[in-house]
Amino acid sequence: AQTVTQSQPEMSVQEAETVTLSCTYDTSESDYYLFWYKQPPSRQMILVIRQEAYKQQNATENRFSVNFQKAAKSFSLKISDSQLGDAAMYFCAYRIRKAGNNRKLIWGLGTSLAVNP
Amino acid sequence: GAVVSQHPSWVICKSGTSVKIECRSLDFQATTMFWYRQFPKQSLMLMATSNEGSKATYEQGVEKDKFLINHASLTLSTLTVTSAHPEDSSFYICSTRSYREQETQYFGPGTRLLVL
Repeated sequence: AQTVTQSQPEMSVQEAETVTLSCTYDTSESDYYLFWYKQPPSRQMILVIRQEAYKQQNATENRFSVNFQKAAKSFSLKISDSQLGDAAMYFCAYRIRKAGNNRKLIWGLGTSLAVNP
Repeated sequence: GAVVSQHPSWVICKSGTSVKIECRSLDFQATTMFWYRQFPKQSLMLMATSNEGSKATYEQGVEKDKFLINHASLTLSTLTVTSAHPEDSSFYICSTRSYREQETQYFGPGTRLLVL
């Protein structure tokens, strides 16, 4: 079965510092996508970053970057120069790439990130 | 990213009434739409997946007669909570994938439902 595990229910970081959120997943597939979504207090789910499993290069989006370790099935999110607006729940998600009815997102339980001024 | 709207953003209703939630993709054609339910401080729970013009596929444990989903066009899907009860109170979120960009799901802002 495909599962996503986020082992850190809560994290905190000082403003302007760097924080890493961990995510591991389990799958027997080789072709898939991994995502980090952010859900601020407004509860609007926002895509932070996407990684295709076939790409060796780690995805980056401004202050957000991932460390994708395919063999270890690890997909951590690094937030650099943390800002107050980064405070949110962060969800890691997985989805198989091939066509079919099982293309739904598999979600982790989330990590609540607090940013301290 | 794509823009998805949801209406209403919050609703309070009496037990026994039905509530309809609309989900619209504003700048793309959404071939597939997903409806989620989220309890406070929890992850998203997929309720059903719908493709335009066909019946929705419900997840195990979700009552299809209670949560009616209609995906009549490429830009609109609706979720109707029929004969709502207090236990149906929750945060409902729709999500879509576009025909052009199949990789990523974009989410609506959600609807808070409170059943009294």
